[in-house]
Amino acid sequence: GAVVSQHPSWVICKSGTSVKIECRSLDFQATTMFWYRQFPKQSLMLMATSNEGSKATYEQGVEKDKFLINHASLTLSTLTVTSAHPEDSSFYICSAKTSGRMSTDTQYFGPGTRLTVL
Amino acid sequence: DQQVKQNSPSLSVQEGRISILNCDYTNSMFDYFLWYKKYPAEGPTFLISISSIKDKNEDGRFTVFLNKSAKHLSLHIVPSQPGDSAVYFCAASFSWGSQGNLIFGKGTKLSVKP
Repeated sequence: GAVVSQHPSWVICKSGTSVKIECRSLDFQATTMFWYRQFPKQSLMLMATSNEGSKATYEQGVEKDKFLINHASLTLSTLTVTSAHPEDSSFYICSAKTSGRMSTDTQYFGPGTRLTVL
Repeated sequence: DQQVKQNSPSLSVQEGRISILNCDYTNSMFDYFLWYKKYPAEGPTFLISISSIKDKNEDGRFTVFLNKSAKHLSLHIVPSQPGDSAVYFCAASFSWGSQGNLIFGKGTKLSVKP
């Protein structure tokens, strides 16, 4: 099956620093990648959708200058949390969609990254 | 306002019996629904999906039923196994004019007891 990896799996950083999270599709090309955030006992909330080679589309309420997304290749998307604050502490999960044209193509999720901002 | 609702935060079932997980949605324009299984500190794993043109889809022990008039879907697992213990998320999507953005419910934690 399709495999999506995330790195790092967990990170602790000081308030005010920036953190980069990588999402890779290991055995398929992903034209579209999604970034989600999950708070404890809450649902996964879509933050943004990124297409390879173009700017990400952010959901309402998500600051694009704070959460920088780069989808430089068909197998790699990065999320950079800039000037992180304790309220940014969360579980960040990416997903990748196989390069079909159907919006219903299955999304494959990465294992997630636990971010803790002190 | 939540568009996808899973009103039962938890469910406990005996091994070998049927597990029924429920999901309701409010947006009648959703036409594609999915169930994901998630273990702690891991990403969700796709289980099964259903298009709105169907009312049932079956894959091994997993069956999803869709009642469009009630805006309700359910996931049946039979027989339930201890390894099925996880959080199950219902998700909805639009198959047109969309890149496949998923809208998730809050999840139901299933515990299958030996």
